[in-house]
Amino acid sequence: EDKVVQSPLSLVVHEGDTVTLNCSYEVTNFRSLLWYKQEKKAPTFLFMLTSSGIEKKSGRLSSILDKKELFSILNITATQTGDSAVYLCAVRLGNQFYFGTGTSLTVIP
Amino acid sequence: DGGITQSPKYLFRKEGQNVTLSCEQNLNHDAMYWYRQDPGQGLRLIYYSQIVNDFQKGDIAEGYSVSREKKESFPLTVTSAQKNPTAFYLCASSTHWTGLVTGELFFGEGSRLTVL
Repeated sequence: EDKVVQSPLSLVVHEGDTVTLNCSYEVTNFRSLLWYKQEKKAPTFLFMLTSSGIEKKSGRLSSILDKKELFSILNITATQTGDSAVYLCAVRLGNQFYFGTGTSLTVIP
Repeated sequence: DGGITQSPKYLFRKEGQNVTLSCEQNLNHDAMYWYRQDPGQGLRLIYYSQIVNDFQKGDIAEGYSVSREKKESFPLTVTSAQKNPTAFYLCASSTHWTGLVTGELFFGEGSRLTVL
């Protein structure tokens, strides 16, 4: 059975801290891994990773994929209160997308 | 601007009534999806469609039905057979995976259904 597992389930940090969110997967027919940020409504796209070892970066956020060990991490440096959200990891298998349960991040001023 | 439009945003219904959630996209995507999200949980796939007039059940299809008569539209009906329909419903679309190009999933704003 295809599985996507995120950890931790929730996290509370202070502004300025650095956080690392984890996503591991056990799937057949892997095509890509995606990270989304969800604040109350629709998830917004952050990164798509298809190749191992190549870091994707956008401002204070970065992500990397390890296809041998079947996991990805999402790093957020110098966190701000606006980073408070649920972060979802999804794996694309052909034309299906499977999601983890998400990591709820709360950043305290 | 291209995107996905879901309606209504909020919906209240009495137990035993069928409801239909609308989803329209103008991204020219072939594949469309319906997900359900419950508090503190990730997204679970209800149905998906890769082409007009064809759709497949996801992990939690029981109590739901869909149609795909046009490329742009993928409405979801929550029937009275769905035992716990109160949830947040997200419609999404993507390009087909071709082996060379893999795209991300685009989401609508969601529809929050509450059954009283």
